[in-house]
Amino acid sequence: DTAVSQTPKYLVTQMGNDKSIKCEQNLGHDTMYWYKQDSKKFLKIMFSYNNKELIINETVPNRFSPKSPDKAHLNLHINSLELGDSAVYFCASSQSRGLANYGYTFGSGTRLTVV
Amino acid sequence: QKEVEQNSGPLSVPEGAIASLNCTYSDRGSQSFFWYRQYSGKSPELIMSIYSNGDKEDGRFTAQLNKASQYVSLLIRDSQPSDSATYLCAVINAGKSTFGDGTTLTVKP
Repeated sequence: DTAVSQTPKYLVTQMGNDKSIKCEQNLGHDTMYWYKQDSKKFLKIMFSYNNKELIINETVPNRFSPKSPDKAHLNLHINSLELGDSAVYFCASSQSRGLANYGYTFGSGTRLTVV
Repeated sequence: QKEVEQNSGPLSVPEGAIASLNCTYSDRGSQSFFWYRQYSGKSPELIMSIYSNGDKEDGRFTAQLNKASQYVSLLIRDSQPSDSATYLCAVINAGKSTFGDGTTLTVKP
């Protein structure tokens, strides 16, 4: 049973298109995240949701819009894709307790290539 | 100054040696510290967590935390070729996790 599953695994699309990436976790975690990993392997947080509520919204172009229909799902919609959006996007989940955190479980990633 | 800095790699050690990975962080209010391993083309995998000063051992891995020096390290004893990967240090403050750039470790047979 996959703990954090993302779809699709690969996404190749043209500039200007709109695309979505879906994420689901079956761990019962209360917090979910989207991270972007660029070609230099740097992982940068984009968004975080706790029990469907947006709690972290980093400096990300407003072409990126997350949606969390329930605490087990977090989707990412990207409008008007640009070449610079090409990266691997990771979904992750964690269980928090106050300010403490027990570490993340990552999905397998979505490799987005914009041509 | 980066929020989380790791020793720049790549790091190469012979099989059976101890690999030492280091990480410093800038925010004194950080509460939770993690090490992730990421194989090429795969997602990061949590291997160690540490929350208080001192050492924490799990098998061949030992995490060390010194909050006064804002320093966290990972030691891998008896390194194996299967340990070859990029190791990411992550620091959490106020629910937000910041990752270092990673150190790539190669263990040579």
